[in-house]
Amino acid sequence: DSGVTQTPKHLITATGQRVTLRCSPRSGDLSVYWYQQSLDQGLQFLIQYYNGEERAKGNILERFSAQQFPDLHSELNLSSLELGDSALYFCASSTTGGETQYFGPGTRLLVL
Amino acid sequence: QKEVEQDPGPLSVPEGAIVSLNCTYSNSAFQYFMWYRQYSRKGPELLMYTYSSGNKEDGRFTAQVDKSSKYISLFIRDSQPSDSATYLCAIGAGGSYIPTFGRGTSLIVHP
Repeated sequence: DSGVTQTPKHLITATGQRVTLRCSPRSGDLSVYWYQQSLDQGLQFLIQYYNGEERAKGNILERFSAQQFPDLHSELNLSSLELGDSALYFCASSTTGGETQYFGPGTRLLVL
Repeated sequence: QKEVEQDPGPLSVPEGAIVSLNCTYSNSAFQYFMWYRQYSRKGPELLMYTYSSGNKEDGRFTAQVDKSSKYISLFIRDSQPSDSATYLCAIGAGGSYIPTFGRGTSLIVHP
């Protein structure tokens, strides 16, 4: 158990819909990272937050957004969902200045 | 050419074998190197982390980095069926906390 929690574990929804994925980092970790993992693309970095502020952006679509709240939990919002958004979404956290990231169990999203 | 290349496998070996997993990379700025293990339907779990060229050992696992060849390896000694998983290399540049991940190699250790 990495100490990072993610909810929900599974999500099934329809195209065009909007969903919110939630992540709680390890106790004391200020950084949260979001990744998308699909069979054809591997693990792709989406976005990083550090202590409530956006720190780095990767291959995140404009339809996707995220935020980190004062209690350090983070949410990833996916809107106007398409079939191709079906994937595993992972959250990871790290300590200040830490390249070492600890991953949560992921949310499996299926868009029908 | 992708920044980090990793053979997806699958690699199938008998129990007790020595396993060699490899990644190549193209960016000379990469300075830190990690290996993650991911079981089916689980999140990646950090196995090894190193900055320097050479070998780093942790139990049955040895990480090897050759910066001159831009080549990293993970060796697993006395492999067990419980080692069956996907192994991802992750490589990053100094000052960046966002590593680039390989696609992962699927390892199957059969009894």
